[in-house]
Amino acid sequence: NAGVTQTPKFRILKIGQSMTLQCTQDMNHNYMYWYRQDPGMGLKLIYYSVGAGITDKGEVPNGYNVSRSTTEDFPLRLELAAPSQTSVYFCASSTQGRAFFGQGTRLTVV
Amino acid sequence: KQEVTQIPAALSVPEGENLVLNCSFTDSAIYNLQWFRQDPGKGLTSLLLIQSSQREQTSGRLNASLDKSSGRSTLYIAASQPGDSATYLCAVRPDRGSTLGRLYFGRGTQLTVWP
Repeated sequence: NAGVTQTPKFRILKIGQSMTLQCTQDMNHNYMYWYRQDPGMGLKLIYYSVGAGITDKGEVPNGYNVSRSTTEDFPLRLELAAPSQTSVYFCASSTQGRAFFGQGTRLTVV
Repeated sequence: KQEVTQIPAALSVPEGENLVLNCSFTDSAIYNLQWFRQDPGKGLTSLLLIQSSQREQTSGRLNASLDKSSGRSTLYIAASQPGDSATYLCAVRPDRGSTLGRLYFGRGTQLTVWP
């Protein structure tokens, strides 16, 4: 009963480095999302996908990229890490109006 | 743009109390509303989902109500326990718009129940 799985759980990056946050789901959901959560704030949508090969920007996409080559996987790419990208990142999938979240990736950029 | 507000931001109560957490949203054109629980350093766990046509949902000691026309939802926790300590998030899914299925979140209510 894996649901939505994110890796890694924690990561420290130096300014300018790149990394990919992995997200995979085993529920065959077409809709997938990446959110970020800053301390004391609500979750903000970064990117979303309505199916394999289809992605679009959310409200805070700058500095990120995504791809969706399969239904299961929705990786989030940070190309040039900046301190403003220090946050907790959540991947989610949804079906019939209900959302399921991964455990999150805590990223610190120093 | 949809704005979601949760009151109070934090709540500290003794065990056994009945609690009410409030959520308000600015655009009443919603598809559904979800209440989530978030434990420190963990992901979000869905507690209750209320469709726009429903007035309330119940699960165990939790009851959530929805008044779509006035843009409000409440989460009622009966006989609170220390294990209920967590942050509770309210999220609405819009009924229209291009971002299919996305959620708008409040900032959450941080609940502490002490023995």
